Amino acid sequence: KAGVTQTPRYLIKTRGQQVTLSCSPISGHRSVSWYQQTPGQGLQFLFEYFSETQRNKGNFPGRFSGRQFSNSRSEMNVSTLELGDSALYLCASSLGVPVSDTEAFFGQGTRLTVV
Amino acid sequence: TQLLEQSPQFLSIQEGENLTVYCNSSSVFSSLQWYRQEPGEGPVLLVTVVTGGEVKKLKRLTFQFGDARKDSSLHITAAQPGDTGLYLCAGERPSGGSYIPTFGRGTSLIVHP
Repeated sequence: KAGVTQTPRYLIKTRGQQVTLSCSPISGHRSVSWYQQTPGQGLQFLFEYFSETQRNKGNFPGRFSGRQFSNSRSEMNVSTLELGDSALYLCASSLGVPVSDTEAFFGQGTRLTVV
Repeated sequence: TQLLEQSPQFLSIQEGENLTVYCNSSSVFSSLQWYRQEPGEGPVLLVTVVTGGEVKKLKRLTFQFGDARKDSSLHITAAQPGDTGLYLCAGERPSGGSYIPTFGRGTSLIVHP
């Protein structure tokens, strides 16, 4: 079956702009989580959506937001981009139930560069 | 301060050598997971350890969960170039009445032919 698909793969934006990233989970998976990966901080959890509701949230400013649609596809948005937002943004999908007992499958990520 | 500390940060070895990477914490985890991430790809789950003292084997990879469930190790026997990648340990930490995923910063392994 098809894996987790993230688009676009690469993106270059200017400081102050906003960006929207997309994630299509594995068919049948209802949970989508987003992560930011940087060389300095490693892999950090942004938020998780399950059945169109945010179920968990990490410690990121309000400029980072997300949503999930009825078909489980998810988008994340970063507003007022800063240079420090340059990172690999990863999406992971899982069945979602029970909450922490299902394997997460990651996409290839979106490489965002802010200049 | 990183909740999950991984060591070493970098490892460069020759094919055929053995190696061990560590994942340590001062906190107790109900389970820990190990992932491998190859360049340009997302992490792939290798194993989940749940019981203190548990040992799991995946071909040449041996995973151990500490008795107190605060640490874990990954041992690779006779490493091969295909083992090259970033090895990440992960668990869940309490946050605001819930639990959220937390990752170590990883061990970057290069196996030279």
